[in-house]
Amino acid sequence: AQSVSQHNHHVILSEAASLELGCNYSYGGTVNLFWYVQYPGQHLQLLLKYFSGDPLVKGIKGFEAEFIKSKFSFNLRKPSVQWSDTAEYFCAVWVPGTYKYIFGTGTRLKVLA
Amino acid sequence: GAVVSQHPSRVICKSGTSVKIECRSLDFQATTMFWYRQFPKQSLMLMATSNEGSKATYEQGVEKDKFLINHASLTLSTLTVTSAHPEDSSFYICSAREHPGELFFGEGSRLTVL
Repeated sequence: AQSVSQHNHHVILSEAASLELGCNYSYGGTVNLFWYVQYPGQHLQLLLKYFSGDPLVKGIKGFEAEFIKSKFSFNLRKPSVQWSDTAEYFCAVWVPGTYKYIFGTGTRLKVLA
Repeated sequence: GAVVSQHPSRVICKSGTSVKIECRSLDFQATTMFWYRQFPKQSLMLMATSNEGSKATYEQGVEKDKFLINHASLTLSTLTVTSAHPEDSSFYICSAREHPGELFFGEGSRLTVL
């Protein structure tokens, strides 16, 4: 069965530090990959997505993610975090042709001002 | 992006009562909606897939008689927690997709069963 692993459950950073959140999935075929963010008290919203093409994907608010097929990874990065990036981040996989989206367990990011 | 709205955002009920949660796609038609349950410090667990005009598809381990799902129109799906018990207290989230691939989420509904 497909699964998604997010190894960092809690991350604490100071403002201006660089961020990288890991995401690995288990599925050998074609996948679509997503990062969603949930700010405190708000609903989940899309940060970025990868369907095909350039494996380096740029999303909103300065986030980017790189799809490395050989490593089954889709890590999220941001060069310089801000206090407003404090949120929970979820990696998700969708296998085309199925109806299921598989979510990782989430990473809680706290950015200290 | 597309908007999905959930109502109510919070509900408190007594044990044994039933609670209905609505999920609406406001500016698009959704033939498929998804219902998730989010436990504290855990990921979203897919409960069921709601299909307009047909029966919902439930994930393994989810009691379909307890969590009734109705998708009566292209913009509305409802989740009814029947005979709720304290262990049903949780955060329930619906989502829908306008195009294949991207999900849009509702605000979530926090259910507390006393």
